[in-house]
Amino acid sequence: DIVMTQSPDSLAVSLGERATINCKSSQTVLYSSNNHNYLAWYQQKPGQPPKLLIYWASTRESGVPDRFSGSGSGTDFTLTISSLQAEDVAVYYCQQYYDTPYSFGQGTRLEIK
Amino acid sequence: QVQLQESGPGLVKPSQTLSLTCTVSGDSISSGDYYWSWIRQPPGKGLEWIAYIYYSGSTYYNPSLKSRVSMSVDTSKNQFSLKLNSVTAADTALYYCARVVPGPMSGYWFDPWGQGTLVTVSP
Repeated sequence: DIVMTQSPDSLAVSLGERATINCKSSQTVLYSSNNHNYLAWYQQKPGQPPKLLIYWASTRESGVPDRFSGSGSGTDFTLTISSLQAEDVAVYYCQQYYDTPYSFGQGTRLEIK
Repeated sequence: QVQLQESGPGLVKPSQTLSLTCTVSGDSISSGDYYWSWIRQPPGKGLEWIAYIYYSGSTYYNPSLKSRVSMSVDTSKNQFSLKLNSVTAADTALYYCARVVPGPMSGYWFDPWGQGTLVTVSP
């Protein structure tokens, strides 16, 4: 099974500042035949289900603000929020869909400093 | 837009069977355009994928739960269901249903998710 590990577990950032969340997979999630990274990011606000933010490691879902961006390849990935807004307080999860069983990172809690 | 809604008992006794149903609106399971999945989240913890099903009834289960889990689909009601046998306190969790974007060989990401239903396993 592919193990997803996020860092840090929690993060406090000032409003308007950049937030960076890392995700590392125990094996590559890059499918060489199509050069796609099989990785998604989700945002879970308190009392709500997870919401898809990014898929293919860097493609923003429709309606997601452009301050959210995903990068990385192979085993190392990053979710960046370029200018933190109050509504971005949430727990963020990465998920690999390269192989079943699908697996998620343990989550990173993002708070306002 | 598509919406998913979980339903089922909120309390299940140890050793019994947990049964949940997800009702889909705004999309047709029988269109075959997506897979349909269950994911759970123990209180204060992370996410665990349980299983997914296709409209035809084809299923794929997480090997860690495979011996205890089954999914079914009722296209006439636009619903899919989850059964988890021999539950213990470790199965206490918020259970979500979700639509799965399909790929050539399996599913991809989950979007959207239902609101979730809390199932507590307790005597």
